[in-house]
Amino acid sequence: AQSVSQHNHHVILSEAASLELGCNYSYGGTVNLFWYVQYPGQHLQLLLKYFSGDPLVKGIKGFEAEFIKSKFSFNLRKPSVQWSDTAEYFCAVNAGGTSYGKLTFGQGTILTVHP
Amino acid sequence: EAGVTQFPSHSVIEKGQTVTLRCDPISGHDNLYWYRRVMGKEIKFLLHFVKESKQDESGMPNNRFLAERTGGTYSTLKVQPAELEDSGVYFCASSRNLNTEAFFGQGTRLTVV
Repeated sequence: AQSVSQHNHHVILSEAASLELGCNYSYGGTVNLFWYVQYPGQHLQLLLKYFSGDPLVKGIKGFEAEFIKSKFSFNLRKPSVQWSDTAEYFCAVNAGGTSYGKLTFGQGTILTVHP
Repeated sequence: EAGVTQFPSHSVIEKGQTVTLRCDPISGHDNLYWYRRVMGKEIKFLLHFVKESKQDESGMPNNRFLAERTGGTYSTLKVQPAELEDSGVYFCASSRNLNTEAFFGQGTRLTVV
């Protein structure tokens, strides 16, 4: 069975700082990769996804993630965070060949951005 | 287009009682998923409907949980009888077909006391 590990439980940054959230997965086969975000009081929203092709994917709100197959990683980055990026971030993996909605999630990383 | 809607947003029940959670997927989405997040843990898959059929219920914790999707529209998840360890946030998601991403609802926070 696959598993997903997010390295940080809680990250605290000041506005304009750079962000990198780590995500590693364990699964030997083809995977589809996702980052979801949950802003306070809101539903989970898709930030970005990787299915195939260019391993550097760009998502909404200036976020990007890089799939490194050899490291089983899919880290999320943003060059300059804003206060409005305060939220909980989830990395998720879907095993190739299964429905894209069947996801294995990491534990989540709470990001707090101070103005 | 309306998003995935879940009812109620919060529910507090006593151990041994029954609770029914409802999910209305995005119109036209044949695929519906239930997930649960117990406090401090990761979000875990419970089951997947394709229209009214259960495609995958490998994540259902035990037979106290019953999910239905009559008519292939909205879905209900009933917990009977509820136990303390059932407390958590129950998420519903839907997708148009098997190879498109899922859209999530806001979740139902269930507290069993």
